[in-house]
Amino acid sequence: GNSVTQMEGPVTLSEEAFLTINCTYTATGYPSLFWYVQYPGEGLQLLLKATKADDKGSNKGFEATYRKETTSFHLEKGSVQVSDSAVYFCALSPQGGSEKLVFGKGTKLTVNP
Amino acid sequence: EAGVAQSPRYKIIEKRQSVAFWCNPISGHATLYWYQQILGQGPKLLIQFQNNGVVDDSQLPKDRFSAERLKGVDSTLKIQPAKLEDSAVYLCASSLGGGVSGTRTSYEQYFGPGTRLTVT
Repeated sequence: GNSVTQMEGPVTLSEEAFLTINCTYTATGYPSLFWYVQYPGEGLQLLLKATKADDKGSNKGFEATYRKETTSFHLEKGSVQVSDSAVYFCALSPQGGSEKLVFGKGTKLTVNP
Repeated sequence: EAGVAQSPRYKIIEKRQSVAFWCNPISGHATLYWYQQILGQGPKLLIQFQNNGVVDDSQLPKDRFSAERLKGVDSTLKIQPAKLEDSAVYLCASSLGGGVSGTRTSYEQYFGPGTRLTVT
């Protein structure tokens, strides 16, 4: 079946530190891959996405590269800010089918000044 | 452009009571999704509508949960009777739907703020 595994949180960093949140997936074919972010008290927002192997999604300084050989889609940011504190979800949408999203459990990030 | 609207934002009920949630998707979005997000977990799809037809309800506990989208716009999700384990945030999302353009970008989902349900 389809599944997503994210690194366990919570993650606590100081401002301007480098961020990596690991995400690996299991799926048949070529799923689309996503990172969603949930800020405190708000709904889920799409952060970035990649729809085919070797694509790099990027937004707001965050990046993730679709690696089919390692079935990974790790989220990175070179210098985090306090405003990046949120819960980050990795997700996949199976190739074909209904395009539903399968989410990981989420990783809570706290950035301290 | 208005986003996905949901109401109520919060609801507290006792077990065995019934509850209903409402969702209004982004105008023009043919596909509507209901997800359940239990504390500490990622959202799990309950049901997906394409216009007013059900595409996927394989993870909907049909003995107590029901959902409808009668006119292909608004949707309601009902739980009757509620159990303690139904305590969660219920998220509604919408997308243009592949039937409109057929491209994968048309599947991008936009989420509402959610309804936080507490069953006591």
